[in-house]
Amino acid sequence: GAVVSQHPSWVICKSGTSVKIECRSLDFQATTMFWYRQFPKQSLMLMATSNEGSKATYEQGVEKDKFLINHASLTLSTLTVTSAHPEDSSFYICSANVGRGNEKLFFGSGTQLSVL
Amino acid sequence: DAKTTQPNSMESNEEEPVHLPCNHSTISGTDYIHWYRQLPSQGPEYVIHGLTSNVNNRMASLAIAEDRKSSTLILHRATLRDAAVYYCILRRRWGNQFYFGTGTSLTVIP
Repeated sequence: GAVVSQHPSWVICKSGTSVKIECRSLDFQATTMFWYRQFPKQSLMLMATSNEGSKATYEQGVEKDKFLINHASLTLSTLTVTSAHPEDSSFYICSANVGRGNEKLFFGSGTQLSVL
Repeated sequence: DAKTTQPNSMESNEEEPVHLPCNHSTISGTDYIHWYRQLPSQGPEYVIHGLTSNVNNRMASLAIAEDRKSSTLILHRATLRDAAVYYCILRRRWGNQFYFGTGTSLTVIP
C-alpha cells in the first residue's frame, strides 16, 4: 500500500519556539493532504486540508496564523506550529489521498509534540 | 457531514468473531462508509469501506444494512493485535474530508 512518512516522530521544544512537522508521500503523488491533531484519550480532530500549490483550508476554530501549512509539492506538506505553548502539546497526524474521488486515506505515524 | 454513533468500548475473546456496530441514520445516498483503526501512539490504518453492498477483504468484512442507516464491521477471528480503537466514518462521495467520531475501543482478551 501507499506510504506516508511523517517526521519527526516526537519533538520537545520550549514555549515560544516554532516547530515544523513534515509529511511526505513516498510512492505516490498526493494532491491533497490532511492534518489532524489528537489529545490523549480523544478522537482525531481535522485541522486543515492542504492542497498542492494553493492555500490550505482550515477548519473552524483552527488559527491559520498559528498553524502554518505549506504544500509546495505533490509529495510534501509541512505543518509549522508557531510560537508554541504548552496547550499546543498534542499528537499531530497527517494523511493523504492516493487518488481523486472517494479513495481511502493513508496516514503518517504521527508526531508527538511536547511544549515545555 | 452526517454523524456516526458507535459504542465507546467492546470486549472480545481471542480467536472469536467480533461485530462492531455503527449507526449513521442521517447518511446520504452519496456517502461512503469507511472503517479505520488506530493502535496506541500510531496513525490510523485503513480497514475497509463500502457504499451499499457488503464488502470483504483480508482484514475484515463490512455488512451494510439495506437502508444504509447502520453498518457492522466484522473481524472473523480476533487476535491480540486487533486491539485498537475502531472508527466508522462517512465520507461524501464528491467531498474530500474525513471527520472522525469517538470510535470504539476494542479489547481482546487472551
